[in-house]
Amino acid sequence: DVKVTQSSRYLVKRTGEKVFLECVQDMDHENMFWYRQDPGLGLRLIYFSYDVKMKEKGDIPEGYSVSREKKERFSLILESASTNQTSMYLCASSSRTGGILAEQETQYFGPGTRLLVL
Amino acid sequence: DQQVKQNSPSLSVQEGRISILNCDYTNSMFDYFLWYKKYPAEGPTFLISISSIKDKNEDGRFTVFLNKSAKHLSLHIVPSQPGDSAVYFCAASSQGAQKLVFGQGTRLTINP
Repeated sequence: DVKVTQSSRYLVKRTGEKVFLECVQDMDHENMFWYRQDPGLGLRLIYFSYDVKMKEKGDIPEGYSVSREKKERFSLILESASTNQTSMYLCASSSRTGGILAEQETQYFGPGTRLLVL
Repeated sequence: DQQVKQNSPSLSVQEGRISILNCDYTNSMFDYFLWYKKYPAEGPTFLISISSIKDKNEDGRFTVFLNKSAKHLSLHIVPSQPGDSAVYFCAASSQGAQKLVFGQGTRLTINP
């Protein structure tokens, strides 16, 4: 059973603070993802990583950075938190697809971190 | 540019009846489609998927239909139960992309 955990369920930070969100998966998945979910906008991809030390920008990377030093851990960093970064942050992982096995595209999500920036 | 669209923000259905959630996509390269269910304050959980080589996939009360010519998929839940009340997201991927594109979500409410 896939397990994706996130370091905090709820977080309150001040504008300008540096914020770290941690995600850990225990299924040896190569791919990891960070999304934010906002009402009416669905899930929007911030960053993803195919492998250790590799990262790719998603659709809304501005104001965020990521770190993947170990295969099981993917961190999202808000360099200087702003009120428009108040959101639900979701981490996910999946195994790498090597061909026609489309089922491996299935992503498994953590419980989410609800971040409030004041 | 919204490549995956769920045009109904909400849907209300009576318990025991059929729930039909719809999703449209624009990218003809998409070849794998998924539905996720999300309860408040929890992460999305995978529900059911379908590959573009099929037009139907069934799993218990859940059936997903894919109409490639119309670039449309739908999720049918029969019979609907109160525990099905949640937000449902459809998502799509193209082979080798290794990332999903999500719709905006539809909030399903099952009334007793």
